[in-house]
Amino acid sequence: SQQGEEDPQALSIQEGENATMNCSYKTSINNLQWYRQNSGRGLVHLILIRSNEREKHSGRLRVTLDTSKKSSSLLITASRAADTASYFCAPSGSARQLTFGSGTQLTVLP
Amino acid sequence: GAGVSQSPSNKVTEKGKDVELRCDPISGHTALYWYRQSLGQGLEFLIYFQGNSAPDKSGLPSDRFSAERTGGSVSTLTIQRTQQEDSAVYLCASSFLLAGQETQYFGPGTRLLVL
Repeated sequence: SQQGEEDPQALSIQEGENATMNCSYKTSINNLQWYRQNSGRGLVHLILIRSNEREKHSGRLRVTLDTSKKSSSLLITASRAADTASYFCAPSGSARQLTFGSGTQLTVLP
Repeated sequence: GAGVSQSPSNKVTEKGKDVELRCDPISGHTALYWYRQSLGQGLEFLIYFQGNSAPDKSGLPSDRFSAERTGGSVSTLTIQRTQQEDSAVYLCASSFLLAGQETQYFGPGTRLLVL
């Protein structure tokens, strides 16, 4: 299975703080993607990092990838209440379909 | 529209009835995926279509589930003789390959409740 496992399961922070969530996986990958989901619906693609990249930035998002440890992290800087959502990682390898774990539920308190 | 659309947004049905869920992918996207997500769970792959190739049905949980993609665009997921355990959010995604990388864009989902 190329399913990623997110950690922690839940994270609660104050607005303005940084949030870090981690992803571990077991198989070889071509890339790894992070998605966000609000209110149980609406999966939104955040960022894709290729297997030959180690770090990538997009706005307030910073993603790292360590293929030797089969892990990735997503950092959200200067968090806002609107960042409250579930975050999923999706390692992508030989199989086209995505498999998500249970995600990290991020709550940003105003 | 600019994104993936799905209909209906909500569906309540009685156990044993058939339901059809529709997905309109992003124009030009060659791949279309169906997933489902049960309450508090991750994403479960059901089926995907790629161009004119035979669909990958390996994720369909039983023969009560089937899907079609007509004309390489719109897709319909059909669940026959629905059961309560079929209750979930059914998500559709479409994608295209760019430089060997693929990003899937998801629709808002259909929330199915089987009573």
